[in-house]
Amino acid sequence: DAGVTQSPTHLIKTRGQQVTLRCSPKSGHDTVSWYQQALGQGPQFIFQYYEEEERQRGNFPDRFSGHQFPNYSSELNVNALLLGDSALYLCASSMYQETQYFGPGTRLLVL
Amino acid sequence: SQKIEQNSEALNIQEGKTATLTCNYTNYSPAYLQWYRQDPGRGPVFLLLIRENEKEKRKERLKVTFDTTLKQSLFHITASQPADSATYLCALPPTSGTYKYIFGTGTRLKVLA
Repeated sequence: DAGVTQSPTHLIKTRGQQVTLRCSPKSGHDTVSWYQQALGQGPQFIFQYYEEEERQRGNFPDRFSGHQFPNYSSELNVNALLLGDSALYLCASSMYQETQYFGPGTRLLVL
Repeated sequence: SQKIEQNSEALNIQEGKTATLTCNYTNYSPAYLQWYRQDPGRGPVFLLLIRENEKEKRKERLKVTFDTTLKQSLFHITASQPADSATYLCALPPTSGTYKYIFGTGTRLKVLA
């Protein structure tokens, strides 16, 4: 049973560029949440997708957008990248909301 | 809004000793609380969930307590090993009608051989 997978593992972009990160949830999970984790901080909730709809959004600007596909996989898009967007981006999947299973993360560096 | 606090200072202990990590929260009465382990550059791994009506929960060398009066959870690792060195995160579940988990900043544990 494959766990949560994310791609790519690492990414380097320059300011102003756009990036797309991908996530495949654990088998049987229908809910995907995205988190941003800066160095030395806990994961910060970006948004959650369920049934292909954004169900809740954290305190992130509209530059952060997402999508969930019919197979429950998800994408996180960030436009107009800023230096401060450099972080570890985590995807977590769940069923019935209680326990989240995290992927290995995508390390994004914005230069 | 609810807040969660963990000791952000690193905790160094000798191998074989018991490590105790603290998680305090405010402005919330959660139905449960979770603990995760995170290794550098990796995603958090779920360890334990303790419900409000459970005073204590154990899993192998791990023990978690939940004091809803003090609004505090303690996470213990007994007979600690260097392989236990990692950052440990506590997380509050979403409040009613929401879907947002709140994570602490984590406590970095280093077990010295």
